[in-house]
Amino acid sequence: GDSVTQMEGPVTLSEEAFLTINCTYTATGYPSLFWYVQYPGEGLQLLLKATKADDKGSNKGFEATYRKETTSFHLEKGSVQVSDSAVYFCALSSKPLQGAQKLVFGQGTRLTINP
Amino acid sequence: DTEVTQTPKHLVMGMTNKKSLKCEQHMGHRAMYWYKQKAKKPPELMFVYSYEKLSINESVPSRFSPECPNSSLLNLHLHALQPEDSALYLCASSQDLVWPDGSSYNEQFFGPGTRLTVL
Repeated sequence: GDSVTQMEGPVTLSEEAFLTINCTYTATGYPSLFWYVQYPGEGLQLLLKATKADDKGSNKGFEATYRKETTSFHLEKGSVQVSDSAVYFCALSSKPLQGAQKLVFGQGTRLTINP
Repeated sequence: DTEVTQTPKHLVMGMTNKKSLKCEQHMGHRAMYWYKQKAKKPPELMFVYSYEKLSINESVPSRFSPECPNSSLLNLHLHALQPEDSALYLCASSQDLVWPDGSSYNEQFFGPGTRLTVL
């Protein structure tokens, strides 16, 4: 079945450092890909998305490019801030033969940014 | 309105209690979801409703009973829960689109969750 493999962390960086969180996937067809962020005590928020190969999703300084050839969707940010401290989930949109569509999540990466 | 609301925010219940969690969205989405999330883990899908009909039940114990009264509301009825059911319960909704080529697009909007503690 479809799956997502994500760098588990935890990841600890200093403010203004460069961030990469790796995400690779296995899927039939061409799923849409997402990064969600979860701040402490909150639900998940969509950070960015890409719906087809070579699409680049971007939001709040974060970027990720849908790479079909490497089945990857790595999350990057050039200069992180303390407020970026959260758990980040990579996910893909999965359509089973029967039943409704669903999201398949990676295990999540806990990011801590120190001032 | 791009918000999914959930009530209550926190819930403490005993193992013999009956309680309900509520979820509401007014985005016209036709699919709604319940997830259970334990600490340091990704959300774990429990149920999916599509066009107000139960589409997926991920082998959830019968002490959890979902209900979809209309296209905007989703309930989760709880009865005789166990301490290991303590978790964050998340609701989500989506348009549940499929692209013309048949590929999947399932952007989900999540609520803030209900933090459930079973004593």
